[in-house]
Amino acid sequence: DIQMTQSPSTLSASVGDRVTITCRASQNIGSFLNWFQQKPGKAPKVLIYAASSLQSGVPSRFSGSGSGTDFTLAISSLQPEDFATYFCQQTDKTPWTFGQGTKVEVK
Amino acid sequence: QVHLQESGPGLVKPSETLSLTCTVSGGSISSYYWSWIRQPPGKGLEWIGYISNTGSTNYNPSLKSRVTISVDTPKNQFSLKLSSVTAADTAVYYCARRPLEQLVLDYWGQGTLVTVSS
Repeated sequence: DIQMTQSPSTLSASVGDRVTITCRASQNIGSFLNWFQQKPGKAPKVLIYAASSLQSGVPSRFSGSGSGTDFTLAISSLQPEDFATYFCQQTDKTPWTFGQGTKVEVK
Repeated sequence: QVHLQESGPGLVKPSETLSLTCTVSGGSISSYYWSWIRQPPGKGLEWIGYISNTGSTNYNPSLKSRVTISVDTPKNQFSLKLSSVTAADTAVYYCARRPLEQLVLDYWGQGTLVTVSS
């Protein structure tokens, strides 16, 4: 299985901060990388697909970059509704696998 | 607007079979891939498998011997069966949709908690 490793596990930030989360794959996955946001008690919501494509309806402050094994999710100016947990997921090979998550909390 | 809703028992006894159904509204079930994903309490996400628009399936090898995913096109539903469950199968189970042209789960159900306990 392809292992997905996110860092950091927890990130403390303030409203207005620029935030970056990284995801590393254990092997080359091309651009088959998606990013999700999950709030407590809710289903994950896709933010970015194919490493850098913004899902329809998602604010433009979210962006994704990277290819191969190293990927980044950036939030340009953190908003109150962005405090949540973020997961990366690879869909290059089955079984599709997820990162362990990064919790963005209030500093 | 596409909506997915999971349904099924919230409590299953050890060694029995977990059965869940996902009802899809706002779109045809025959034009997409359909997945199940689970999340144990306080833990990360695990992909269980999918069924394609042609009825072919792909399961996580870690669960393959116990999993069956099927689709009921007239009812616009698809289902998950997981046999011989143990406490380790306690999780929130989500159903989700994958478009044919994109490898992304773009719509998810709200999730349903299934507890395995006697």
